[in-house]
Amino acid sequence: EVQLVESGGGLVQPGGSLRLSCADSGFTSSTYWMNWVRQAPGKGLEWVAIIKQDGSDIHYVASVKGRFTISRDNAQNSMYLQMNSLRVEDTAVYFCTGGEGWTSSYWGQGTLVTVSS
Amino acid sequence: EIVLTQSPGTLSLSPGERATLSCRASQTIGNNYLAWYQKKPGQPPRLLIDDATTRADGIPDRFSGSGSGTDFTLTITRLEPEDFAVYYCQQCATAPLTFGGGTKVEIK
Repeated sequence: EVQLVESGGGLVQPGGSLRLSCADSGFTSSTYWMNWVRQAPGKGLEWVAIIKQDGSDIHYVASVKGRFTISRDNAQNSMYLQMNSLRVEDTAVYFCTGGEGWTSSYWGQGTLVTVSS
Repeated sequence: EIVLTQSPGTLSLSPGERATLSCRASQTIGNNYLAWYQKKPGQPPRLLIDDATTRADGIPDRFSGSGSGTDFTLTITRLEPEDFAVYYCQQCATAPLTFGGGTKVEIK
């Protein structure tokens, strides 16, 4: 069973960087596509990025292309989101998700990223 | 990019009533790869329906999905108190994956 736990959120100034991590304590996420999905305060869900099981296929939402990098380390049952050049509008709860296809069948509890001066 | 429009924005109903939520896509969703999620405050979203019509594991049969192409519907036949939440559709066919804006089902 996939059990996802995010970490790495916090307060950062505009233009700064942050690296989010997602650990799967169920040790099965290597068989799944993995995503990052975010929800800004008072707003709806926004898909951010997806990575294939072996890392060979990656997609991003347009607003983060060139700034965010998704990666994974299956040996560590972990996935990451490196976020650079952060903007105020990147403030959100970031969820790690996974599934056999592109659907998010499994979700972590989320980690809050606040971009503010 | 496929744009998903959910309606209505808010649905005010009483427990025991039927809820019908709509999700319309700006273009055909391939293989009907359309998912529905339930979101409650302070909790992560929960997958309800996959591939437009397939209930996820453990989801009660009062939840059902229908539709194809560009028009999809989530139906909750008899609302239970725990069903009052925000519901989102997501197309999982074409990158970038996109969510609809959500429908809030509130207690009347």
